[in-house]
Amino acid sequence: QKEVEQNSGPLSVPEGAIASLNCTYSDRVSQSFFWYRQYSGKSPELIMSIYSNGDKEDGRFTAQLNKASQYVSLLIRDSQPSDSATYLCAVNPGSNYQLIWGAGTKLIIKP
Amino acid sequence: GAVVSQHPSWVICKSGTSVKIECRSLDFQATTMFWYRQFPKQSLMLMATSNEGSKATYEQGVEKDKFLINHASLTLSTLTVTSAHPEDSSFYICSARERRTSTDTQYFGPGTRLTVL
Repeated sequence: QKEVEQNSGPLSVPEGAIASLNCTYSDRVSQSFFWYRQYSGKSPELIMSIYSNGDKEDGRFTAQLNKASQYVSLLIRDSQPSDSATYLCAVNPGSNYQLIWGAGTKLIIKP
Repeated sequence: GAVVSQHPSWVICKSGTSVKIECRSLDFQATTMFWYRQFPKQSLMLMATSNEGSKATYEQGVEKDKFLINHASLTLSTLTVTSAHPEDSSFYICSARERRTSTDTQYFGPGTRLTVL
């Protein structure tokens, strides 16, 4: 069964520090990887997508992909209290455009 | 760009009634739309995949006769919860994949909170 694993947390990070969120996936042929942020009571919003090995930066966010080790991570620099949310990792393991979702990591940024 | 709307944002209904939820892609054409359900403090659960002009594909354990999905155009998909019961109370979220791109990025609507009394 194709799986995406995330630590449920909560992960507590002081304001201004770097928050590091990790995700592993089971299907080696996966090609597309996504990080979504979900605030309590709201729907998910896309933060980053990554398709190639290495780092991809967008503002304070950096996604890192290592296909050989089957993990993808999200770094949030200069963490703000507004970054407190649940972060969902999603992987497309094939060609039918469905995503396999992790259960999410709850991130708490402490002022 | 890539804005998805849902209507209504919340609905309260009596047990046994049917509720229709609309999902629209506002600034793009969506070949594929997805319907999810999320219970409190739980992860997203995919209910069905809807392709324009064809029947929806339901996930295992999701009753297709209870959750009717129609994807009649490239910008609109509807989910009808028929004969709703209190256990159907949940947060229903749709997402859409943009037609013109070859990527599989999903853009989410704001969700519909259904409460069945």
